[in-house]
Amino acid sequence: SQTIHQWPATLVQPVGSPLSLECTVEGTSNPNLYWYRQAAGRGLQLLFYSIGIDQISSEVPQNLSASRPQDRQFILSSKKLLLSDSGFYLCALDRGQGTEAFFGQGTRLTVV
Amino acid sequence: AQSVTQLDSHVSVSEGTPVLLRCNYSSSYSPSLFWYVQHPNKGLQLLLKYTSAATLVKGINGFEAEFKKSETSFHLTKPSAHMSDAAEYFCASNQGGKLIFGQGTELSVKP
Repeated sequence: SQTIHQWPATLVQPVGSPLSLECTVEGTSNPNLYWYRQAAGRGLQLLFYSIGIDQISSEVPQNLSASRPQDRQFILSSKKLLLSDSGFYLCALDRGQGTEAFFGQGTRLTVV
Repeated sequence: AQSVTQLDSHVSVSEGTPVLLRCNYSSSYSPSLFWYVQHPNKGLQLLLKYTSAATLVKGINGFEAEFKKSETSFHLTKPSAHMSDAAEYFCASNQGGKLIFGQGTELSVKP
């Protein structure tokens, strides 16, 4: 069965510093991959999704970028973090429409 | 464009009483619909899914949901709440290869 690894679990970064969050997948190939952000008291905001290597769709204009250099690797990055980038970041995968999504355990990012 | 609306941001019930969490969707054709549960600082766990088979879907932990196309609804129910059901619940829709979530409903269960 597929599993998603996200790290780190928690991260505290100063404003203006860079960010790199990594998500790796095991047990499946060619999944759709997603990055979501969950701010306190708000729902899951879709940030990026990818249907394949180097194929990234951005859902909202923001300070973040995503890359998929390998089929099972999805990276969320920022060159300069803002306070508003704080939140709980979740990586997810699914196998297409009608299939359930599987989630990583998330990264709690606090920008100070 | 597809969207998912959860009508209540917070629901509070007493242990042993029924649970109703409401979800409405919009789409141009029948989507795949899901309910997920999230405990604090954890990822999401699938409760149940609808993929155009039976309109009444049974999930884990005694939850079920009914797909009503005429009302564009997919409400989540449970006959009797348990303390362990306290969590955040998300309704989601997958149409056109993109998974979209509602804003979430926090369920509180009082003893």
